Amino acid sequence: AQSVTQLGSHVSVSEGALVLLRCNYSSSVPPYLFWYVQYPNQGLQLLLKYTSAATLVKGINGFEAEFKKSETSFHLTKPSAHMSDAAEYFCAVTLPSGGYNKLIFGAGTRLAVHP
Amino acid sequence: EAGVAQSPRYKIIEKRQSVAFWCNPISGHATLYWYQQILGQGPKLLIQFQNNGVVDDSQLPKDRFSAERLKGVDSTLKIQPAKLEDSAVYLCASSSPLGGRETQYFGPGTRLLVL
Repeated sequence: AQSVTQLGSHVSVSEGALVLLRCNYSSSVPPYLFWYVQYPNQGLQLLLKYTSAATLVKGINGFEAEFKKSETSFHLTKPSAHMSDAAEYFCAVTLPSGGYNKLIFGAGTRLAVHP
Repeated sequence: EAGVAQSPRYKIIEKRQSVAFWCNPISGHATLYWYQQILGQGPKLLIQFQNNGVVDDSQLPKDRFSAERLKGVDSTLKIQPAKLEDSAVYLCASSSPLGGRETQYFGPGTRLLVL
């Protein structure tokens, strides 16, 4: 069965520091993987997605993620954190279900950025 | 391009009352999803529509939740009667084209508090 594990429910970094949010998945088929961001009182916004093309995926707001099959990981990184990056981040994997695709989310990681 | 619209944004009701949420997907998107997001957790799929047909409602508590998508465009999700544990954010998402592991686009959500 497909699943997603996000290590660390809360991550705190200094402004300008590296952001690393961890995501591991399990999937019996080649996965499609997504990172979404959720700002307070808003819906989910797509940051980036992996769809079996390039393993290093670049997204919006300077974020990128690398698909590593051997490690079953899809960690999200950003070289330099900005105060506006404070939000909750969700990793997700698609699960084929009856000919359609179900999106399975991790529990989320709340990112805090301090001056 | 207009995004996914949801209303109301906030709702407070007492237990055993009924409530309904409305969603209008992105124009032309055939697939519509309703998710429940409990505080501190990732979104969980409740029901998925393909045009006006249900393709997955395995996680929908059918004794109290119902959803419809008449004419294959907008959709309503109803809870009757509500329980305290239904307090959550209800997210609507849509995607296109038919099938495939396409990106889901989310609305701002409806925050429900059951007292």
